[in-house]
Amino acid sequence: DTEVTQTPKHLVMGMTNKKSLKCEQHMGHRAMYWYKQKAKKPPELMFVYSYEKLSINESVPSRFSPECPNSSLLNLHLHALQPEDSALYLCASSQEFGVGGGPYEQYFGPGTRLTVT
Amino acid sequence: RKEVEQDPGPFNVPEGATVAFNCTYSNSASQSFFWYRQDCRKEPKLLMSVYSSGNEDGRFTAQLNRASQYISLLIRDSKLSDSATYLCVVNKAGRRALTFGSGTRLQVQP
Repeated sequence: DTEVTQTPKHLVMGMTNKKSLKCEQHMGHRAMYWYKQKAKKPPELMFVYSYEKLSINESVPSRFSPECPNSSLLNLHLHALQPEDSALYLCASSQEFGVGGGPYEQYFGPGTRLTVT
Repeated sequence: RKEVEQDPGPFNVPEGATVAFNCTYSNSASQSFFWYRQDCRKEPKLLMSVYSSGNEDGRFTAQLNRASQYISLLIRDSKLSDSATYLCVVNKAGRRALTFGSGTRLQVQP
């Protein structure tokens, strides 16, 4: 079962709000990712977690704060966002990289469509 | 130069046609290659990994040319349901991350 779930599906928040996006996978994957996708653009990597530890932060502003409570869950905490942060936020997971370094296929959740007003 | 480049299209083809997409990548040390498809307002879904020897899955054939640093995807006998954006994806050499091309849009017409 290659399923990654995300909640909520849609989120509208004001610039002073605090909200969280949630992602869950039960495939036993040990690498999890957050991407941001604007309309008609490809996904842009934000964060990578490997064995519940932050492995990559692609210079994301601190108003986005990731958290990996356990190997199945990934959260993205949002605070003081700007209207330009409105986008589709995608979570993905994959097996951890094997010896030799090549990444495995990533499986995406359906995303959270975020609107910042 | 972009790390991964694709022709944005759109490619408008009739049902039953054969269509091919190419993708070029800039980093010769890249190790892993994939094709994803993305429907409008949906998440990317893995279509197939691309292996050095080339691989086929039903109507879909992927090829890798490391010398010329390009990847191709061939779709035979196009169906209406093949209409989507096809994303070429390459790993960032030495990094635990993937780089997505901008995507090629395919519209299969009846």
